[in-house]
Amino acid sequence: ILNVEQSPQSLHVQEGDSTNFTCSFPSSNFYALHWYRWETAKSPEALFVMTLNGDEKKKGRISATLNTKEGYSYLYIKGSQPEDSATYLCAPIGYGQNFVFGPGTRLSVLP
Amino acid sequence: NAGVTQTPKFQVLKTGQSMTLQCAQDMNHNSMYWYRQDPGMGLRLIYYSASEGTTDKGEVPNGYNVSRLNKREFSLRLESAAPSQTSVYFCASSAIREREENEQFFGPGTRLTVL
Repeated sequence: ILNVEQSPQSLHVQEGDSTNFTCSFPSSNFYALHWYRWETAKSPEALFVMTLNGDEKKKGRISATLNTKEGYSYLYIKGSQPEDSATYLCAPIGYGQNFVFGPGTRLSVLP
Repeated sequence: NAGVTQTPKFQVLKTGQSMTLQCAQDMNHNSMYWYRQDPGMGLRLIYYSASEGTTDKGEVPNGYNVSRLNKREFSLRLESAAPSQTSVYFCASSAIREREENEQFFGPGTRLTVL
């Protein structure tokens, strides 16, 4: 069983602030990572699929980086908006292993 | 396409009762999964089916059984429900399990309470 950590557990930011969160995992045997966005009362939806060490993905104001050698991924949100409020889950992927989801970072963007 | 559907949406059981949670996907995916979500614990894998005809245990399989009825359907059964199984259950599917580019698609969830 993998030990996947996400920090912070939760945070509150003002509209317009930029923010970032971290997903950390054991660096051995992991080669890819997914980020999922989970809005309250909805289901998780894939945000980024990162398949290589050094991968960088961007979707609008949100971007992510992956470093499998050191076992972390960062998610950045530039100019947070209230609609960005959600829980963000990371799921590192190891050889022959299933998805293991981190506990999530709950983001609240205050208008 | 409906994506991943789950029934029921809500269920209340008494301790010792049994029930089956149904899941179906219409995306022609090979792999299907059952997760439970508890406060502060994220999503934990109960069982998965990498392809039609196969099922395997995940992180927390005790107290559950599964059936991959066909490519579309993957059911989760609680034979004798316990209060510790109170949770929100999510079904998910992906094209192929061991391909890192294949994201998972989730159903709407079933909220189960065991009294």
